[in-house]
Amino acid sequence: EPEVTQTPSHQVTQMGQEVILRCVPISNHLYFYWYRQILGQKVEFLVSFYNNEISEKSEIFDDQFSVERPDGSNFTLKIRSTKLEDSAMYFCASSDYTYYGYTFGSGTRLTVV
Amino acid sequence: LAKTTQPISMDSYEGQEVNITCSHNNIATNDYITWYQQFPSQGPRFIIQGYKTKVTNEVASLFIPADRKSSTLSLPRVSLSDTAVYYCLVGLQTGANNLFFGTGTRLTVIP
Repeated sequence: EPEVTQTPSHQVTQMGQEVILRCVPISNHLYFYWYRQILGQKVEFLVSFYNNEISEKSEIFDDQFSVERPDGSNFTLKIRSTKLEDSAMYFCASSDYTYYGYTFGSGTRLTVV
Repeated sequence: LAKTTQPISMDSYEGQEVNITCSHNNIATNDYITWYQQFPSQGPRFIIQGYKTKVTNEVASLFIPADRKSSTLSLPRVSLSDTAVYYCLVGLQTGANNLFFGTGTRLTVIP
C-alpha cells in the first residue's frame, strides 16, 4: 500500500531556530496538506497545496510558516523562527481527487526548547 | 461547516461490537460523513464514508438514518488493537478537501 513518508520522526530545536519538516507524498497524488496536533488536542488544519501553490491556509499558518514542493517529489513545511507553542506533531497528507485516497504520514514530533 | 458531536470516550471488552454515534444536526445536502481512526503517535487513517442508509466494508459499518442528522460507526468484535481515537467528519466527498477534526471518541478495548 502506498505511503506518505515524513522525516525526521522527531526533531528537537531551540526557540528561535528555523526548522524544515519533510514529506514525500504518494507519487500520483495532486493535493498536499499539513496538519498539526498539539499533545492531547485535536488535529488542526494548517495549509493545503495544489498545482504548486497554496490553496487555503488556516489562521495558524502565519508568516513564520511556509511550504514548498521543491523538486516534484518532496513537500516541505518550514517554520522560520520556532516558538515554544509550535511544539506538536506535524502530519503531512496527500490525496488524489477521491476521498479514499486521502492518506496521512506518521508525523514529525517537533519539540521546541 | 457542519459541527459534529461525539462521546469523548468509550470502553469495551474484546470481542464485543462497538457503536460510536456522532451527531451532525447542520449537515448540508452535499455533505458526506467520513470516519477516521488515529492510533497514538500516528496520522489519522480513513475507515469508511457514507451518504445515507448503510455502508459496510471489511473494517466497519456506517449507519445513517434518513434525516442524516446523526451517524453510527459500528466496529464488529473489537480487539485490543482497535484501541484508538475515532473521528467523525462531515464534508464534501472529495480528496481535494481540507479536513476539520473534532475531539473524537477515545475507544479503549479491555481484555
